[in-house]
Amino acid sequence: EAGVTQFPSHSVIEKGQTVTLRCDPISGHDNLYWYRRVMGKEIKFLLHFVKESKQDESGMPNNRFLAERTGGTYSTLKVQPAELEDSGVYFCASSQDLGNEQFFGPGTRLTVL
Amino acid sequence: AQKVTQAQTEISVVEKEDVTLDCVYETRDTTYYLFWYKQPPSGELVFLIRRNSFDEQNEISGRYSWNFQKSTSSFNFTITASQVVDSAVYFCALSTTGNQFYFGTGTSLTVIP
Repeated sequence: EAGVTQFPSHSVIEKGQTVTLRCDPISGHDNLYWYRRVMGKEIKFLLHFVKESKQDESGMPNNRFLAERTGGTYSTLKVQPAELEDSGVYFCASSQDLGNEQFFGPGTRLTVL
Repeated sequence: AQKVTQAQTEISVVEKEDVTLDCVYETRDTTYYLFWYKQPPSGELVFLIRRNSFDEQNEISGRYSWNFQKSTSSFNFTITASQVVDSAVYFCALSTTGNQFYFGTGTSLTVIP
């Protein structure tokens, strides 16, 4: 069974540009999560989808971040326009049920110059 | 508020030594879940263990063992007879609603051959 996949693995963009990250969860997992780790700090929750609905987006830093999960399958996270402080590793995770372990993807390392 | 503290930022041990990674958590919820994840150099987060707040039994899995103590709000992780392949960043995480995870800042373990 394929795990959680994320694309791209690395992205380097300039301040003010737009970047879109993609996550493909494990097939059949209704719950999809986005997290972010800024250098040296803890991994922080961004938002949670249940199927195509946003269940909790309390961790989204500001309105420059837009997450979608059309059709309840893969998800995208768009940053527009990107700022320097958006640099970090963005992780996606999925789970079958709440309370169970979340399976994480390898992350997308975003560098904003 | 939920919080996880991993006070040890970096640990180095010589191969075959035992090592304990500390994790202290804070929550006012009576139902919660605790997790440990391993992040090898390849970057993905690998699930190691899940514990719910009603199960204080310690667990052993091969060279890995976990000590859950509600009295001290700790969920420590011990690796016995460490090996070079154990070198990684280890994250402790807390979940209360079963929704978002609260992570510690991670402990980077280096096992020296």
